Amino acid sequence: DAGVTQSPTHLIKTRGQHVTLRCSPISGHKSVSWYQQVLGQGPQFIFQYYEKEERGRGNFPDRFSARQFPNYSSELNVNALLLGDSALYLCASSPVTYYNEQFFGPGTRLTVL
Amino acid sequence: DAKTTQPNSMESNEEEPVHLPCNHSTISGTDYIHWYRQLPSQGPEYVIHGLTSNVNNRMASLAIAEDRKSSTLILHRATLRDAAVYYCILRDVYAGGTSYGKLTFGQGTILTVHP
Repeated sequence: DAGVTQSPTHLIKTRGQHVTLRCSPISGHKSVSWYQQVLGQGPQFIFQYYEKEERGRGNFPDRFSARQFPNYSSELNVNALLLGDSALYLCASSPVTYYNEQFFGPGTRLTVL
Repeated sequence: DAKTTQPNSMESNEEEPVHLPCNHSTISGTDYIHWYRQLPSQGPEYVIHGLTSNVNNRMASLAIAEDRKSSTLILHRATLRDAAVYYCILRDVYAGGTSYGKLTFGQGTILTVHP
């Protein structure tokens, strides 16, 4: 079975631009979470979506937004990019009623110049 | 979120057991103890979780202190593939609201396995 997939793998943007990152959860998983991992640190929670509704939000500015589609795939959008947004962005999916295990994708490496 | 404390790094030799400690002195009664690991250039992967009793699965064992203020992840025979950053995470079983589905990662322990 395919795991969580994310696209693109790598991305280079300049300050002030906008970026959209995409995630496809494992088949049958209806919950998707997004995390930001800055080099040398652990992942930080950004959002969680379940059944197309936001169910959790971390301490990130409004420049960060996300949505979930009817097929449970998700997009993370970041506006007005800053140098500090350079990080690995991870997507994780979970089964409907079992949140004890989250399955992570390989991430999208975003570099902001 | 309750805080966990882990050593920054540990080293082991291949095929020897590894005991990775985690302190969580402010753990609440409804906090589960989760362990994830992150291999180089990959996303984190689930290892094991438990509440009060020791737990075993195909990857590892989790030993939980009687007062639940500390726990130890045990890799019975380390392999080179076990070299990773290991994260100990507390998660409230009744997490809801803005914490729904949230995992709070710390710095983790970098495990180096020598051949």
